[in-house]
Amino acid sequence: AQSVTQLDSQVPVFEEAPVELRCNYSSSVSVYLFWYVQYPNQGLQLLLKYLSGSTLVKGINGFEAEFNKSQTSFHLRKPSVHISDTAEYFCAVISFQKLVFGTGTRLLVSP
Amino acid sequence: NAGVTQTPKFQVLKTGQSMTLQCAQDMNHNSMYWYRQDPGMGLRLIYYSASEGTTDKGEVPNGYNVSRLNKREFSLRLESAAPSQTSVYFCASSGGTGGSGYEQYFGPGTRLTVT
Repeated sequence: AQSVTQLDSQVPVFEEAPVELRCNYSSSVSVYLFWYVQYPNQGLQLLLKYLSGSTLVKGINGFEAEFNKSQTSFHLRKPSVHISDTAEYFCAVISFQKLVFGTGTRLLVSP
Repeated sequence: NAGVTQTPKFQVLKTGQSMTLQCAQDMNHNSMYWYRQDPGMGLRLIYYSASEGTTDKGEVPNGYNVSRLNKREFSLRLESAAPSQTSVYFCASSGGTGGSGYEQYFGPGTRLTVT
């Protein structure tokens, strides 16, 4: 079965600084990967997804992620964060046709 | 187009009481899911329904039952609530073809407290 690991439970960063949220997946022949964002007291919203093709995936709100097969990683990046990016971010992978989520990374953006 | 809706938004139960969480989607999706979210544990799948008329257990099904009433609606029932079921519950749906068919759309959640 596929799984994902998010090593950082919390990432504090200052506004306008770059950020990287790390996600590693267990290896497989083919893999579908997703990043979701959850704003306070809301449901999850899809940020971006990797299904195939280009390894650099661009999503909403200026986020992007790079699929790295050799390192089994799918890290999420943003070159300059805003206060409004404060949220919890979940990496997820398809395993037996179902989404399996990581434990989440809380991004805390301060002025 | 409301997407995925859930009722109620909040609920407080006493131990042993029962309740049903309702979920509906208007995207004509075949698959629907129930998750619970607990601090530090991400989202864990309780039950899912790959199509109308079918349901299957997920990672944490104990203490729950589900009903796929029709293609739009998927309910979650707690027969005898326990404090360990205090959590935020999310319903989701997915459809489409190919890899995009795995993309899930989430409801706003139900915050349940069992005292």
